[in-house]
Amino acid sequence: RKEVEQDPGPFNVPEGATVAFNCTYSNSASQSFFWYRQDCRKEPKLLMSVYSSGNEDGRFTAQLNRASQYISLLIRDSKLSDSATYLCVVNFFSGGYNKLIFGAGTRLAVHP
Amino acid sequence: GAVVSQHPSWVICKSGTSVKIECRSLDFQATTMFWYRQFPKQSLMLMATSNEGSKATYEQGVEKDKFLINHASLTLSTLTVTSAHPEDSSFYICSARVFGTQNQPQHFGDGTRLSIL
Repeated sequence: RKEVEQDPGPFNVPEGATVAFNCTYSNSASQSFFWYRQDCRKEPKLLMSVYSSGNEDGRFTAQLNRASQYISLLIRDSKLSDSATYLCVVNFFSGGYNKLIFGAGTRLAVHP
Repeated sequence: GAVVSQHPSWVICKSGTSVKIECRSLDFQATTMFWYRQFPKQSLMLMATSNEGSKATYEQGVEKDKFLINHASLTLSTLTVTSAHPEDSSFYICSARVFGTQNQPQHFGDGTRLSIL
């Protein structure tokens, strides 16, 4: 089983739609959680951290359920510029270091 | 703030060549740097973790004699792909972190696309 699993998509949605991405992780000792965004042939860029109480940043809402080891990202009022791959990322301590483990990403394509 | 610069951004070279990639933290001191590799349509895979002044810790399956990592200062880490072959063609990305920020996001360089002919 992969350490971080995501639906690869693609999700094809019209502008203005609401779309939700899910992610599960296998290591219950994971300490912190993030959503990154990666555009084609570019480096990942931090979208937002994910907190247990849930958090919102503009049109983006992230949720964490530690008991279920589940993370979600909700995007409201999708824009064309939201088209990208969204990476679920988990940070845990292993082998003496904190490491980031990336999911394979969920592709989002927003069309006019 | 927290800018990480990676150089070069694109390399094309012949099989058997050794290629050095630099990762610099421009406005902070990076006690830990990470090297990742990403094949097309796949996830970023951690290759190794390097702490300034000590040997890198390699992930399982990554050959340390093939991928030489040097982290000689708090602002520079280098990855050398020795005797590169076409199967080493990939997107290599570094990230950096300040000591004491283990649970904070890492800062990524803009990646190096390596193509071995």
